[in-house]
Amino acid sequence: GAGVSQSPSNKVTEKGKDVELRCDPISGHTALYWYRQSLGQGLEFLIYFQGNSAPDKSGLPSDRFSAERTGGSVSTLTIQRTQQEDSAVYLCASGDGGSEKLFFGSGTQLSVL
Amino acid sequence: RKEVEQDPGPFNVPEGATVAFNCTYSNSASQSFFWYRQDCRKEPKLLMSVYSSGNEDGRFTAQLNRASQYISLLIRDSKLSDSATYLCVVRTSGTYKYIFGTGTRLKVLA
Repeated sequence: GAGVSQSPSNKVTEKGKDVELRCDPISGHTALYWYRQSLGQGLEFLIYFQGNSAPDKSGLPSDRFSAERTGGSVSTLTIQRTQQEDSAVYLCASGDGGSEKLFFGSGTQLSVL
Repeated sequence: RKEVEQDPGPFNVPEGATVAFNCTYSNSASQSFFWYRQDCRKEPKLLMSVYSSGNEDGRFTAQLNRASQYISLLIRDSKLSDSATYLCVVRTSGTYKYIFGTGTRLKVLA
């Protein structure tokens, strides 16, 4: 398909483990965003990529969170030593940088036990 | 104070009704404004951008009031399929960070 793809769709992990979440943006989209959404809450900005660089990392909650983007395409969000409060839906969005329209993936539901 | 605030609702309205939501933003340097729609357990999707002069898309009308720092969304002739959460989104000048409100939940009743 031509949309934003995220994997896995669901991830259950134990407290203290590391997890990697993947995002495949729409081909040609230079902008990529990570957000997280806790149950019944709004979207919380985590990080923004333009190409492979991240000019805005201000939303990453702690140094346990990191993200990278390679080849101007795929992005990985890594959470180290997961905590129960990390449980949320992690959403990735991409944009062409011109229209300001964001296209979201269907998210990764992360559950930390 | 949150950067973007919305009444969480829910707004329960009968089919055919007109309903309006407001959203306030705190940063006067906010430059771009949008309404997104999010269905239960789904990803948000852009409903419409909001332009300074106001704009309409079918049954949906969006308006911006810069002086009072709020945007509004009006839905006319509500349909059952309009039931969703409506998210107000704001981008501040000089940044590429899109700030989402927590959303207003709408339920259209038969």
